[in-house]
Amino acid sequence: DTGVSQDPRHKITKRGQNVTFRCDPISEHNRLYWYRQTLGQGPEFLTYFQNEAQLEKSRLLSDRFSAERPKGSFSTLEIQRTEQGDSAMYLCASSNREEWPYEQYFGPGTRLTVT
Amino acid sequence: ILNVEQSPQSLHVQEGDSTNFTCSFPSSNFYALHWYRWETAKSPEALFVMTLNGDEKKKGRISATLNTKEGYSYLYIKGSQPEDSATYLCAFIKANAGNMLTFGGGTRLMVKP
Repeated sequence: DTGVSQDPRHKITKRGQNVTFRCDPISEHNRLYWYRQTLGQGPEFLTYFQNEAQLEKSRLLSDRFSAERPKGSFSTLEIQRTEQGDSAMYLCASSNREEWPYEQYFGPGTRLTVT
Repeated sequence: ILNVEQSPQSLHVQEGDSTNFTCSFPSSNFYALHWYRWETAKSPEALFVMTLNGDEKKKGRISATLNTKEGYSYLYIKGSQPEDSATYLCAFIKANAGNMLTFGGGTRLMVKP
């Protein structure tokens, strides 16, 4: 296992379309996080899972966003009816709850452009 | 709302220069502070996780210090090299907050050969 992977790396979509991103964490990691980074800003927290349970969601995560981690392994982030403001880098990270200090390992991100 | 701020926003230095960046964060409910290096088209890479007031950590030419009482951390790079060019991010974790990272805006470092 070489690290956190994300697919696709780039996505261009038209406003109003739905998109789905996938994150595969490091295999023994039980926590999985989604962050979003817009131009000129640091990444912002969106949501996190412990195993398959979604434990926290940011107010940034509008009703158009949904995330799942059905078997406690990979996760998907879906954005419905995309808007231009959704254009950003979407980052996934994973960590192991049993390994202090719970370092988060990041994937390379999915860059979304909404035209 | 947690305020994590980094300065400067960007920095251009010559190869061989030493440099440092600042991260300021809330001094209450501190749990941990992370430093990451993020090169273009790559994954953010963890540099340090700092948890105790007065912590000093070092990895090669890069070192970091932590002051939780006043809410700041410094990252130092000694003898910058072109391969150090990247965005350096700090991220604060609040106690009892599910280990969520609150990032600063980053410092973009460009090292000219």
